[in-house]
Amino acid sequence: DAKTTQPNSMESNEEEPVHLPCNHSTISGTDYIHWYRQLPSQGPEYVIHGLTSNVNNRMASLAIAEDRKSSTLILHRATLRDAAVYYCIPVSGTYKYIFGTGTRLKVLA
Amino acid sequence: NAGVTQTPKFRILKIGQSMTLQCTQDMNHNYMYWYRQDPGMGLKLIYYSVGAGITDKGEVPNGYNVSRSTTEDFPLRLELAAPSQTSVYFCASRSGPSPTDTQYFGPGTRLTVL
Repeated sequence: DAKTTQPNSMESNEEEPVHLPCNHSTISGTDYIHWYRQLPSQGPEYVIHGLTSNVNNRMASLAIAEDRKSSTLILHRATLRDAAVYYCIPVSGTYKYIFGTGTRLKVLA
Repeated sequence: NAGVTQTPKFRILKIGQSMTLQCTQDMNHNYMYWYRQDPGMGLKLIYYSVGAGITDKGEVPNGYNVSRSTTEDFPLRLELAAPSQTSVYFCASRSGPSPTDTQYFGPGTRLTVL
């Protein structure tokens, strides 16, 4: 199983961009990189996923390194509602969905 | 669509009691999962199911049992509750094993064993 490394915590000012890094140097060539976030007292929710190319959706952007050993989740303008724990998860074609400890994002008003 | 629903939201058990945590999804997903989350930690997989009648153990199955008689329901049974089972329990579903299939989570059940 691919291992991931994320910073334990990060801080951002409101309305500024946030770049959340994830190292997944042992990822296999066919694993997709998924990002989830967990708001306080809620279950995790899907944010975005990608394989090789950079991806955008209404919530965030995902930048994947050319060698696929790392990725960065980008929140373009952080709001107080974005304060959450963010998880990056390599996902293969099996049942496995392994959550690490994630990055706790604090957004300062 | 209600998505994934879990009951109860909160429960306090005494040591040695048993209970069933209910999980239902209305998305016709084949895959379902049970996780537990201890304070400040990530999610640990207890059991999973790839379809009705098929279940298998995850990382931390001891003290738990599951069944999957229908596509919609995936109850988690705790026998002989212990303080170490105090945790928040999340149920999730996923349409299949494709690496592009995402998980949908329920709101969780907060269980305290005293």
